[in-house]
Amino acid sequence: DADVTQTPRNRITKTGKRIMLECSQTKGHDRMYWYRQDPGLGLRLIYYSFDVKDINKGEISDGYSVSRQAQAKFSLSLESAIPNQTALYFCATSVFPLGQGRTGELFFGEGSRLTVL
Amino acid sequence: DAKTTQPNSMESNEEEPVHLPCNHSTISGTDYIHWYRQLPSQGPEYVIHGLTSNVNNRMASLAIAEDRKSSTLILHRATLRDAAVYYCILSRPYNNNDMRFGAGTRLTVKP
Repeated sequence: DADVTQTPRNRITKTGKRIMLECSQTKGHDRMYWYRQDPGLGLRLIYYSFDVKDINKGEISDGYSVSRQAQAKFSLSLESAIPNQTALYFCATSVFPLGQGRTGELFFGEGSRLTVL
Repeated sequence: DAKTTQPNSMESNEEEPVHLPCNHSTISGTDYIHWYRQLPSQGPEYVIHGLTSNVNNRMASLAIAEDRKSSTLILHRATLRDAAVYYCILSRPYNNNDMRFGAGTRLTVKP
């Protein structure tokens, strides 16, 4: 089983619908992230959470919200989906980097492909 | 934010070494240099990282220029499975939230 699991893997929805993408992890990591990937643009950070009580906006948080329900779960919501939110979404986790040379490797899920019509 | 510049694409022959360059002329003294790769239909995966000295691991080697303004990811013997997009990223110590994944370099490996 994957250490970082995203559901759903594929979703097609219509403009204006509310969508939730879920991420769960079995790695025991405190830090969790949501990224968006568009062709030719690499990955952009939407939100990140360093622990259950800590939520922070990333580069492109407008139109998105998140919920950290537990250490292992981090959900991304699109309250009213629009076509330009069509993208591949990735969840990632990491530990707090301790010690010299440790910068906290990111572990990614397999992605959730969202299409907004 | 310090940025990186990579070629859009590179080609290699199977079982030959591959040198993937990255320029980061505005790197700060505390920035770490990370490399990730993204295989088709998968999320990115960590490859290697370093600060000043060259680094080796089971996947690759990282050669860092003395002035740290550039680095090179070295795959010693490319395999077909190494075909992926490779990302060069800078990050401050104890932070992951400042990792900026650009477009990366798409590596094609020819049999």
